[in-house]
Amino acid sequence: NAGVTQTPKFRILKIGQSMTLQCTQDMNHNYMYWYRQDPGMGLKLIYYSVGAGITDKGEVPNGYNVSRSTTEDFPLRLELAAPSQTSVYFCASSYGPTDTQYFGPGTRLTVL
Amino acid sequence: GQQLNQSPQSMFIQEGEDVSMNCTSSSIFNTWLWYKQEPGEGPVLLIALYKAGELTSNGRLTAQFGITRKDSFLNISASIPSDVGIYFCAGHLYNNNDMRFGAGTRLTVKP
Repeated sequence: NAGVTQTPKFRILKIGQSMTLQCTQDMNHNYMYWYRQDPGMGLKLIYYSVGAGITDKGEVPNGYNVSRSTTEDFPLRLELAAPSQTSVYFCASSYGPTDTQYFGPGTRLTVL
Repeated sequence: GQQLNQSPQSMFIQEGEDVSMNCTSSSIFNTWLWYKQEPGEGPVLLIALYKAGELTSNGRLTAQFGITRKDSFLNISASIPSDVGIYFCAGHLYNNNDMRFGAGTRLTVKP
């Protein structure tokens, strides 16, 4: 199993550009999550999904969108990038709501 | 949002020393989790706690789920250089199972 994979590893965007961060898991997990981690801080939940076709907002959803068309994939979309979205983004998955979450390696995004 | 207060923010210790860090909150949690993050990597789960009062060990690591369900601690005994990293507490909130993370404890171990 590859676990949770994320692409790209790094990206630099200009203000106002859009992009999609990709996340795939091959563990057949129902739950998938997107977090952001700002320097010196813990992770904050952006969006999560309890299964294909179902998504919900986390703690900091503004400026982001998600979709979950398959069990394996959970892309995160930034429509109009802003400097405040400069962060490291982590995708995670788990079998159930309180089961262990397995994290991807992260995407480091800089918005200039 | 509900805050997890993790302390200390950083620790500089000598190899062989024991380490203790903790998390507290004003909210009740269903689970307490301790993760370690190394540079350029995602967090990796060290210990998961599911019941109030639970005390669990994983090698040199020991963690406890506080009786009030509002706190947890992690102890590392006989630290070694590879223990270096950032340790995060996390937990699932009682009312909605959202997961919250502490701000992390940055551990440096001097050989």
